[in-house]
Amino acid sequence: DAGITQSPRYKITETGRQVTLMCHQTWSHSYMFWYRQDLGHGLRLIYYSAAADITDKGEVPDGYVVSRSKTENFPLTLESATRSQTSVYFCASNTLAGGTDTQYFGPGTRLTVL
Amino acid sequence: AQSVTQLDSHVSVSEGTPVLLRCNYSSSYSPSLFWYVQHPNKGLQLLLKYTSAATLVKGINGFEAEFKKSETSFHLTKPSAHMSDAAEYFCVVSDNANQGGKLIFGQGTELSVKP
Repeated sequence: DAGITQSPRYKITETGRQVTLMCHQTWSHSYMFWYRQDLGHGLRLIYYSAAADITDKGEVPDGYVVSRSKTENFPLTLESATRSQTSVYFCASNTLAGGTDTQYFGPGTRLTVL
Repeated sequence: AQSVTQLDSHVSVSEGTPVLLRCNYSSSYSPSLFWYVQHPNKGLQLLLKYTSAATLVKGINGFEAEFKKSETSFHLTKPSAHMSDAAEYFCVVSDNANQGGKLIFGQGTELSVKP
């Protein structure tokens, strides 16, 4: 199916474990983004990528690692999960085609760190 | 630096009455502005966007927003609320200064619709 998908949709893990959240888009969008959503904070940008092998930090990057070896995938890794990383994570993508910067969001991953 | 302030964390209206969700922004550049909606346990859906064309922007589901540069506002309105409009709404500004159009989100306004 065309679009942007995230997996898993729900994840429970323990403090100190490594967790990888997957994001896949079928539009060949050049830009991809990871956000976390917490009560009272709206969505905050963790990392973004302008193209394969090009990534940059957002507002709240500490404790996260990203990679982008292929245009369509943008995994987010928590190298050693902490309780403060319990959140809902959204992946998004856009093209900037024609100057538009509309982002399209995935369905989200709800992560709980015990 | 760009920022967005949603003036109400929660708005409650009766079905059939008008909706007003307020948003002020701060931007040093010519901004792109968006409203996204998030229904419970769902992802974000674009309602409408302003990108320096017409100042009155019409979106989906009967929503519209007016860009007022003098007031740095981008309020979202709908003439008549429907029960299905109950959701969280985010006002968003795009960081046009950098590549990639990074989005800066407001903290959200929860809209409740009473029968």
